[in-house]
Amino acid sequence: SQTIHQWPATLVQPVGSPLSLECTVEGTSNPNLYWYRQAAGRGLQLLFYSVGIGQISSEVPQNLSASRPQDRQFILSSKKLLLSDSGFYLCAWSLDRYEQYFGPGTRLTVT
Amino acid sequence: GESVGLHLPTLSVQEGDNSIINCAYSNSASDYFIWYKQESGKGPQFIIDIRSNMDKRQGQRVTVLLNKTVKHLSLQIAATQPGDSAVYFCAENSGGSNYKLTFGKGTLLTVNP
Repeated sequence: SQTIHQWPATLVQPVGSPLSLECTVEGTSNPNLYWYRQAAGRGLQLLFYSVGIGQISSEVPQNLSASRPQDRQFILSSKKLLLSDSGFYLCAWSLDRYEQYFGPGTRLTVT
Repeated sequence: GESVGLHLPTLSVQEGDNSIINCAYSNSASDYFIWYKQESGKGPQFIIDIRSNMDKRQGQRVTVLLNKTVKHLSLQIAATQPGDSAVYFCAENSGGSNYKLTFGKGTLLTVNP
């Protein structure tokens, strides 16, 4: 069966510090991968998606970036965090259908 | 967990009652819809989906109804239990080959024992 992992689970970072969140998927090959952000009490905002290694599409211009160095690994990064980057970051995967499966999320607090 | 109650529509029901959660979508070209359940501090969990060639689909204790005429989707939960307390999101496909979904704002369901 397929599983999706995210780490860290929680993170507290000062403004201006770098960020690296990692997501890995097990039990499937060539998945579509997605990064979402969820502010408190809000819906899900799609940040990036990837249909293959090295292929990244950005949905929202901001100081975040994403990379996919391996088939089942998706990384979300920032060189300098802003207060507005605080939120709950979710990674998801799908195959050739619309149904997406989500990871447990990373709670990021920028102080 | 998150303070999801501040901005979301809320629905409060008694244990054992039936719950109906509604969602309006905007894209008349959408042809696939999903309901997700998100418990506090966790990632969304798939509940049930429906394609636009159907107007009703049933799962275990859940039923999704689709009215394409008014672009409305609903999730019915039978015999609601305390474990059903969560935020429920509807999502519609955004088209294209990358299988993107557009999520609604969510509804907070609270089940009172």
